[in-house]
Amino acid sequence: GQQVMQIPQYQHVQEGEDFTTYCNSSTTLSNIQWYKQRPGGHPVFLIQLVKSGEVKKQKRLTFQFGEAKKNSSLHITATQTTDVGTYFCAGMNRDDKIIFGKGTRLHILP
Amino acid sequence: ETGVTQTPRHLVMGMTNKKSLKCEQHLGHNAMYWYKQSAKKPLELMFVYNFKEQTENNSVPSRFSPECPNSSHLFLHLHTLQPEDSALYLCASSQDIPGLDFTDTQYFGPGTRLTVL
Repeated sequence: GQQVMQIPQYQHVQEGEDFTTYCNSSTTLSNIQWYKQRPGGHPVFLIQLVKSGEVKKQKRLTFQFGEAKKNSSLHITATQTTDVGTYFCAGMNRDDKIIFGKGTRLHILP
Repeated sequence: ETGVTQTPRHLVMGMTNKKSLKCEQHLGHNAMYWYKQSAKKPLELMFVYNFKEQTENNSVPSRFSPECPNSSHLFLHLHTLQPEDSALYLCASSQDIPGLDFTDTQYFGPGTRLTVL
């Protein structure tokens, strides 16, 4: 069946370093959403990407949707301690079925 | 395979019907959640259960009635729903309820696509 693979599963970075998480779908997606779950919180919506090749920025966060609409990435520039958490992607296919990635757990080392 | 299953995967019901959604997790987790996702919109948290006890009700209308008989099973009983309740209903589980470490990372089921006529 359709899968959304998210890598890496874990990432430790020094504060100030950059961080990237990737999602790869086995099939073409109609859109992809990104969520952040802080330790102690529930998944919180960050952004939705719909168009092929779309790039969106939110301050230090850059989101990309691949040309084939099968891949997406979230890049954080100059991480801060407040960035700690689990980042999920959720891909929706053309049948409106949603598949969550397993998340990338980001630890920030001071 | 996420270890969280949901049945049925699709459900069509009239406004006067009563139906139930089922969620089962095979991960040995203690916390379970219901979310609603309307068309192309972000997740909305509905209910949180921890060790079979409801710990959060996010102002959900009473026509949605959750039930958690044990830590592995979670139900959402539906009655007299409205067409605007049509959505994808997602179940999730985590080792523990949100805390200060990563044991609260949530694992999602595939969802039930609900259509209310």
